Amino acid sequence: DAGVTQSPTHLIKTRGQQVTLRCSPKSGHDTVSWYQQALGQGPQFIFQYYEEEERQRGNFPDRFSGHQFPNYSSELNVNALLLGDSALYLCASSPPAGELFFGEGSRLTVL
Amino acid sequence: ILNVEQSPQSLHVQEGDSTNFTCSFPSSNFYALHWYRWETAKSPEALFVMTLNGDEKKKGRISATLNTKEGYSYLYIKGSQPEDSATYLCCEDSSYKLIFGSGTRLLVRP
Repeated sequence: DAGVTQSPTHLIKTRGQQVTLRCSPKSGHDTVSWYQQALGQGPQFIFQYYEEEERQRGNFPDRFSGHQFPNYSSELNVNALLLGDSALYLCASSPPAGELFFGEGSRLTVL
Repeated sequence: ILNVEQSPQSLHVQEGDSTNFTCSFPSSNFYALHWYRWETAKSPEALFVMTLNGDEKKKGRISATLNTKEGYSYLYIKGSQPEDSATYLCCEDSSYKLIFGSGTRLLVRP
């Protein structure tokens, strides 16, 4: 079992650009959640996808959007990047009402 | 309490010392309390999920307690070892999302 895999692991973008991060959940998991972890802070909830729909959303602007595919994999898209979007983006998958299993994250640097 | 708060922010102990951390959380809309262990350059790893007031869970030298009425959880590590060095995150599970605290960074010196 490959666990939760995320790609890319690192990337550098400039302000105003758009980025897409990808996540493959652990086998058997149907729920995917995305978190942003800025330096020195705990992970902040962005949104959660279940059955290809956004089920819950945190306090993030509309520039942050996502998608879940029929195979339960997910994408996080961020438009019009700002310097403050630089962070580690974590994807976590879970079975229904179960504990989260995290990927190793995608580290985004915005210059 | 409006947010999940953890204390202390960081902790340096000597090998063999026992230690504990605190997690405070809003007690309304509570569903579950999670503890995660996050080593540098690795993924956060689930330690415990607790749902009932008075729950106590143990995994080896690590144990946790839960008080949902007053909104706090304690994590204990008995006889700390250098490999226990990590950031320990707690989070409250309410309404499909986890609200994380900022974590307690533990460094265990040999």
